[in-house]
Amino acid sequence: EADIYQTPRYLVIGTGKKITLECSQTMGHDKMYWYQQDPGMELHLIHYSYGVNSTEKGDLSSESTVSRIRTEHFPLTLESARPSHTSQYLCASYSPNTEAFFGQGTRLTVV
Amino acid sequence: AQTVTQSQPEMSVQEAETVTLSCTYDTSESDYYLFWYKQPPSRQMILVIRQEAYKQQNATENRFSVNFQKAAKSFSLKISDSQLGDAAMYFCAYHRTGQNFVFGPGTRLSVLP
Repeated sequence: EADIYQTPRYLVIGTGKKITLECSQTMGHDKMYWYQQDPGMELHLIHYSYGVNSTEKGDLSSESTVSRIRTEHFPLTLESARPSHTSQYLCASYSPNTEAFFGQGTRLTVV
Repeated sequence: AQTVTQSQPEMSVQEAETVTLSCTYDTSESDYYLFWYKQPPSRQMILVIRQEAYKQQNATENRFSVNFQKAAKSFSLKISDSQLGDAAMYFCAYHRTGQNFVFGPGTRLSVLP
């Protein structure tokens, strides 16, 4: 079992609300990623970080923001949720020269 | 930029039979890693098998094996003795040190009893 955790697993929230999706890993990995994935569809990289105080936008434009104040923590924030943000959000961390580890995902529904 | 292609959006296999999922990739590099990840319905994405490009020998993990053709840039996954628990989305991925992962669009595998 990979030591990477996402909370909450499921979230239903109203339009305009601010939300933060949590992602934590206890493996000491520097590289962490956020992907957006509609159910059964491909992964889209929306943010990544190569270490503390390092954050970059990914290939898919996203209205979310991220921060990396501690190595183990990489939260994603939506300032004002919209129905178009309804999706699954996957967090991952990477162990150099081995593999990427994924969290269980957060399934977000904005109503 | 590197790309990963999975030309089979959906596949099905009879239980206990063998199925092969295709993956091709585009890169001008010679040193990289290739992966197959499995995402069961509503469950965590997990690594199935990993291949280092410098190794000529094909990776094997129990019922899962790959056919790595470096010159052809092909990396197919063979699942032998398919089980109901193998039903999932399978993602092929490319990674090079210092770069982000590149994932294919995925293949949905159904296992028929």
